[in-house]
Amino acid sequence: SAVISQKPSRDICQRGTSLTIQCQVDSQVTMMFWYRQQPGQSLTLIATANQGSEATYESGFVIDKFPISRPNLTFSTLTVSNMSPEDSSIYLCSVEADQGANGELFFGEGSRLTVL
Amino acid sequence: AQRVTQPEKLLSVFKGAPVELKCNYSYSGSPELFWYVQYSRQRLQLLLRHISRESIKGFTADLNKGETSFHLKKPFAQEEDSAMYYCALRGDSWGKLQFGAGTQVVVTP
Repeated sequence: SAVISQKPSRDICQRGTSLTIQCQVDSQVTMMFWYRQQPGQSLTLIATANQGSEATYESGFVIDKFPISRPNLTFSTLTVSNMSPEDSSIYLCSVEADQGANGELFFGEGSRLTVL
Repeated sequence: AQRVTQPEKLLSVFKGAPVELKCNYSYSGSPELFWYVQYSRQRLQLLLRHISRESIKGFTADLNKGETSFHLKKPFAQEEDSAMYYCALRGDSWGKLQFGAGTQVVVTP
């Protein structure tokens, strides 16, 4: 298994500002993902955070808006840039543990952002 | 393109009654299907996966490739089953999951 800590758990932000969300895992993992859950919606994959290289973004998401860092196998950050009210969402970090996970994803508790 | 459909946003059942959450998928290859659950004030967690073919907390789900379905069932619902349930599909890419819209289950005494 894997235990994931996300910070901040919630924040209220002003339009036009940027916020960085941190994700810390208690073990080294190869696969780390960032999801978004807009109000009343399901989870949508933003990108796969790759250690030592640029993140792989899903259709509709771009690096300029959601820059991601992955400096090592236990940590990643997601920045939401130039925020607008439409960015108000829960942002979730998830990982697939390298050993014996058999496809299971583990999730952080999420970071709930409200943009005014 | 892959897609996961959960037609019910809300399912309200009485304690002890059977409950079935519907999930249909669209995928051209051989998918892996999962059910994830989120209890109140807890993080999203895996409930069961089709390859395990096991019963977790009394829940079972059978992958029906002919009907492209992976419905979740429990014969006797309990109050602690009240939660948000997500059906998820993994296609070609390692780790990446496509989630359905989710079904909120409310079990009343």
